[in-house]
Amino acid sequence: AQSVTQLGSHVSVSEGALVLLRCNYSSSVPPYLFWYVQYPNQGLQLLLKYTTGATLVKGINGFEAEFKKSETSFHLTKPSAHMSDAAEYFCAVSGVGTYKYIFGTGTRLKVLA
Amino acid sequence: DVKVTQSSRYLVKRTGEKVFLECVQDMDHENMFWYRQDPGLGLRLIYFSYDVKMKEKGDIPEGYSVSREKKERFSLILESASTNQTSMYLCASSSTSGTSFIEQFFGPGTRLTVL
Repeated sequence: AQSVTQLGSHVSVSEGALVLLRCNYSSSVPPYLFWYVQYPNQGLQLLLKYTTGATLVKGINGFEAEFKKSETSFHLTKPSAHMSDAAEYFCAVSGVGTYKYIFGTGTRLKVLA
Repeated sequence: DVKVTQSSRYLVKRTGEKVFLECVQDMDHENMFWYRQDPGLGLRLIYFSYDVKMKEKGDIPEGYSVSREKKERFSLILESASTNQTSMYLCASSSTSGTSFIEQFFGPGTRLTVL
């Protein structure tokens, strides 16, 4: 069965500091991996996705994530946090032949001035 | 731009009422989803539809039903609302790519309060 673990329900960083949001998954099939962002009172917006090919994936707003099969991880990073990055971030996993996404429980990012 | 719209942003209902949440997508997507979002629990799938009049139960279907009479519209129905159904409800849609279902596009959500 697939599952997703996001370590840290709340993360605080200073403006300009590195953002690192952790996501580990378990999957019995080759995974598709996603990061979504949710700003207050809005729906989810796709940041980036890994399906096949290059394991370092670049997304919108300067975010990127690296698929590491050996570590079953798909951590989200951004070199320099901006105040506008404050939001909740969700990691999700899906796989070939399945319609379902399994979402992590989310990480709320706070950016300190 | 893919657009998924939900009929209400905020809804307040009384216990026992029948509640309809409507979702419409304009990208001719085959698949539509209803999720429930609660703090600390992430998103949980209630129901999924892969075609008109077709539906499958998700992880938490109890207390809910769905209807998909047209491809662009997917309705979530609470037959008799209860206070434990107070939550944020998110609709999503996606296209079919081979046998995989890849990016899902989300609506803005409906925050339902049941008193």
